Amino acid sequence: DGGITQSPKYLFRKEGQNVTLSCEQNLNHDAMYWYRQDPGQGLRLIYYSQIVNDFQKGDIAEGYSVSREKKESFPLTVTSAQKNPTAFYLCASSTASGNVGIQYFGAGTRLSVL
Amino acid sequence: AQSVTQLGSHVSVSEGALVLLRCNYSSSVPPYLFWYVQYPNQGLQLLLKYTTGATLVKGINGFEAEFKKSETSFHLTKPSAHMSDAAEYFCAVSESGGSNYKLTFGKGTLLTVNP
Repeated sequence: DGGITQSPKYLFRKEGQNVTLSCEQNLNHDAMYWYRQDPGQGLRLIYYSQIVNDFQKGDIAEGYSVSREKKESFPLTVTSAQKNPTAFYLCASSTASGNVGIQYFGAGTRLSVL
Repeated sequence: AQSVTQLGSHVSVSEGALVLLRCNYSSSVPPYLFWYVQYPNQGLQLLLKYTTGATLVKGINGFEAEFKKSETSFHLTKPSAHMSDAAEYFCAVSESGGSNYKLTFGKGTLLTVNP
């Protein structure tokens, strides 16, 4: 089945630690996105990538980093510089050609601080 | 810049009653508009979208929405609520004709359905 796989489902971070959230898609989509979701705040864009080896900052990129070495993979690293990392993180993807903005989402990773 | 306002962070209805979730948008160019649904601890699923053409669009699970340019609105309705409709709903906008890869989301409306 085609889709977006996020792992792990739950993740715990210790003080000063970097953690990496995985996002893999087999939809052959060009564009991929990372969002952060906090209660009552909707989804806020962290980073997005339209093609391999290129990515742009979203609205809340500070304390996060990404890479896009393969079309199907877009991992997100939450660095120790992100002082309030507890949130639900969602990865999404969309096609580039003929795109009207439809994004398809993974099931999310819930990150908590120990 | 584009923005989305969802009126009411929490809406509660009885089973069988009309569901109305409100969404107003701001966009400098003709918008593409979307409603997504999120069940607890899951990702978002597309309910319906408006791009061009007919202003009344139908989606999955009996939901529909009407694009009203004069009111800059895209309210979501369902004639009769079902218990399984309980979820959080997000309205989103992207700008047509430009860099239409980015979506701007509203803050969401939590729908509760009472038996």
